[in-house]
Amino acid sequence: EVQLVESGGGLIQPGGSLRLSCAVSGFTVSGSYMSWVRQAPGMGLEWVSVISSGGTTYYADSVKGRFTISRDTSKNTVYLQMNSLRAEDTAVYYCARYAWFGGQGTLVTVSS
Amino acid sequence: DIVMTQTPLSLSVTPGQPASISCKSSRSLLNSDGKTYLYWYLQKPGQPPQLLIYEVSNRFSGVPDRFSGSGSGTDFTLKISRVEAEDVGVYYCMQSMQFRSFGQGTKLEIK
Repeated sequence: EVQLVESGGGLIQPGGSLRLSCAVSGFTVSGSYMSWVRQAPGMGLEWVSVISSGGTTYYADSVKGRFTISRDTSKNTVYLQMNSLRAEDTAVYYCARYAWFGGQGTLVTVSS
Repeated sequence: DIVMTQTPLSLSVTPGQPASISCKSSRSLLNSDGKTYLYWYLQKPGQPPQLLIYEVSNRFSGVPDRFSGSGSGTDFTLKISRVEAEDVGVYYCMQSMQFRSFGQGTKLEIK
């Protein structure tokens, strides 16, 4: 069965760092395009980052230089390292395999 | 960056009646591989987006056949032939031709 489970969210102060995880089963992260998409409270969906099957990474302008997407093939997990967090980064963060969202997301709240 | 524009932003439909949502992209979503990378989602309150349609017109597994997608190039449409109560939520289009980007969302309510 194909599954995605996001974790790592929480309350963090502005300027802080957090690492989100997306643990998958039923497929390999190395063979898929994996994305992170976020949704601020009451707002629409915003693409954040993607890592290709070949390992190439891309970022939205709003997070470039602050966020880093990576993967650990031995753990079949994708990560989103988030540094220099801002209030506007507050959102539910979802990971997706290609166009499929399989998890419930993880909430990140940036507040003092 | 590719900008996705949805219309209308809200829709109120009587059960059993049809509904249609338009999505326009700022550049063509037709790739050199012959595929067009346009997707449709429904997000119900408190839930992640659920994939309805991939590559313009292909229904995802388990999606009822009352949902259909059409279009080409930069103009796309999602149609619901007969709206049911369970179809309420926010509908999004998404492109993956260049990175990814989403439309603003269309909120569907039942009259």
